[in-house]
Amino acid sequence: GNSVTQMEGPVTLSEEAFLTINCTYTATGYPSLFWYVQYPGEGLQLLLKATKADDKGSNKGFEATYRKETTSFHLEKGSVQVSDSAVYFCALSGNQGGKLIFGQGTELSVKP
Amino acid sequence: NAGVTQTPKFQVLKTGQSMTLQCAQDMNHNSMYWYRQDPGMGLRLIYYSASEGTTDKGEVPNGYNVSRLNKREFSLRLESAAPSQTSVYFCASQRQGGQPQHFGDGTRLSIL
Repeated sequence: GNSVTQMEGPVTLSEEAFLTINCTYTATGYPSLFWYVQYPGEGLQLLLKATKADDKGSNKGFEATYRKETTSFHLEKGSVQVSDSAVYFCALSGNQGGKLIFGQGTELSVKP
Repeated sequence: NAGVTQTPKFQVLKTGQSMTLQCAQDMNHNSMYWYRQDPGMGLRLIYYSASEGTTDKGEVPNGYNVSRLNKREFSLRLESAAPSQTSVYFCASQRQGGQPQHFGDGTRLSIL
């Protein structure tokens, strides 16, 4: 069945460092891919999405490219801020209607 | 601009008690979902409703029931709470398959 694997956290970075959070997936067909962010005490918010191969999703300085050949959707940001501290979830929506399959989440902590 | 509203935000129950978690969305979305979030396990789907009048089991449905009361509201019921159901519960809605899901802020449930 469909699955998502994320790099384990927590990830601790200094402000202005480069961020990569790895995400790989297993799915039949052509899933849509998403990154969600969860700030402390809140629900999940959509960060970015990509619906087909080679699409690049971007938002708030974050980017991720849908790589079908490597079944990956890695999240990147060139210069993180303290306010980026949160838990990040990679997810896919395959051929099972609208259901999302989530990775286990990666906690990011950015220090000043 | 409420989005997805969950009530209550916090609840403590004793083992064996029953409780209903409420969820309402004001975006005229067709599909609604209930997840539970546990440390290190990401989000797991409990039940979902692809459209008004339909409900289906997700990954972890045992011990729960749901009601899609109308297009706006989707409730989750614990008939006889168990300590293993201590978790954070999230409701989400979605316009249609392949689109992003929109999440509420969660209900933090502790069962003693």
